[in-house]
Amino acid sequence: EPEVTQTPSHQVTQMGQEVILRCVPISNHLYFYWYRQILGQKVEFLVSFYNNEISEKSEIFDDQFSVERPDGSNFTLKIRSTKLEDSAMYFCASSVAGSSYNSPLHFGNGTRLTVT
Amino acid sequence: SQQGEEDPQALSIQEGENATMNCSYKTSINNLQWYRQNSGRGLVHLILIRSNEREKHSGRLRVTLDTSKKSSSLLITASRAADTASYFCATDGKYGNKLVFGAGTILRVKS
Repeated sequence: EPEVTQTPSHQVTQMGQEVILRCVPISNHLYFYWYRQILGQKVEFLVSFYNNEISEKSEIFDDQFSVERPDGSNFTLKIRSTKLEDSAMYFCASSVAGSSYNSPLHFGNGTRLTVT
Repeated sequence: SQQGEEDPQALSIQEGENATMNCSYKTSINNLQWYRQNSGRGLVHLILIRSNEREKHSGRLRVTLDTSKKSSSLLITASRAADTASYFCATDGKYGNKLVFGAGTILRVKS
């Protein structure tokens, strides 16, 4: 069964450094998402992406964050200058259609980001 | 915010018993979805119920939706130790393209 893959599984970075988290969504999916989960807390929406542009973003997704689909397969999340509070598990997800069209999300296994 | 709370926050049962988890939300929706998360892993979609549906079954899962009360429940029948996980409900908020998750219920099934 096709799956969403994320790399790396664990990323350690120093405060102030830039990080890029990578995702390969399922190939025929058109909608892409990033979520994050701080340890022991809820899964928080960051951003959705469709047709090569941001569809929606949350208050968390400020100017330090950006997303890109640089080619036909990868979907990336960049954090420009990491802060300690960015430490979390970051999940990529994709879906065939938008969530309002009754389409379930398929999640990757996440990248654990640790900012020191 | 779009999402309310799930209850209970944690549930511990014996294998073979049924587990019921509840979810409340605040806005109009097109659908409500339930996901499962094993420790340290990604979320896995379990079931989707549309706003015009009241009940849906999938294997040992039964989901109900009451849009007048803005609430849903997930029933897992004849639970197994392998059902031990966190369970989240998520709503789409009717407009826009994002799925918002509740805080989740941690289910522990003891063998």
